[in-house]
Amino acid sequence: QLQLQESGPGLVKPSETLSLTCTVSGGSVTSSSYFWGWIRQPPGKGLEWIGSIYFSGSTYYNASLKSRVTISVDTSKNQFSLRLSSVTAADTAVYFCARCPVITAAMGRGWFDPWGQGTLVTVSS
Amino acid sequence: DIVMTQSPDSLAVSLGERATINCKSSQSVLYSSNNKNYLAWYQQKPGQPPKLLIYWASTRESGVPDRFSGSGSGTDFTLTISGLQAEDVAVYYCQQYYVTPLTFGGGTKVEIK
Repeated sequence: QLQLQESGPGLVKPSETLSLTCTVSGGSVTSSSYFWGWIRQPPGKGLEWIGSIYFSGSTYYNASLKSRVTISVDTSKNQFSLRLSSVTAADTAVYFCARCPVITAAMGRGWFDPWGQGTLVTVSS
Repeated sequence: DIVMTQSPDSLAVSLGERATINCKSSQSVLYSSNNKNYLAWYQQKPGQPPKLLIYWASTRESGVPDRFSGSGSGTDFTLTISGLQAEDVAVYYCQQYYVTPLTFGGGTKVEIK
């Protein structure tokens, strides 16, 4: 059974870079059938897609965050990672990683299943 | 960006009764070449990640009880819970995957009356 687990600092200072890693177990990030995505949820609010990556390194980002986001994949560790630069309090959220199926003629687009448990990242000095 | 608008924001339903949640997209998410609606539904319980319920607007994910059903096409979609159970108390989200950025509805909170 595929499982995803987010890890990283729970507290980041304003203007610094948020870095999170998602470790995949029970499956491989090199599967040609899936993308791997990051989604966030501010406390008490809705869901926002940050971006997704394919094992080849192809990335798809939300334009609203694109200038600050980098998603990468480490196939040797079966992990993928998120970096979000120049954070502010508005970036405080629970960050989820999740798997997304490859859909023909819809690269980078799909539903998310399963999800990691999520990790709360607070931006504060 | 495609804006997903859910209604109502919350609803209270008696146990065993039907709950109906609506989701409207700002543009069609129906792909004409395959006649599929690029829409999914999720359930999120407190302190948990979202759980996929339905994709392609009406295909139930494996293991999801058949009291959950999805319908609609184009811009208007519905998630129906037929016979609400106590364990169905949660927030429900729709999501379009027709185009990037992938976008979610604001959520509908379902409670027991």
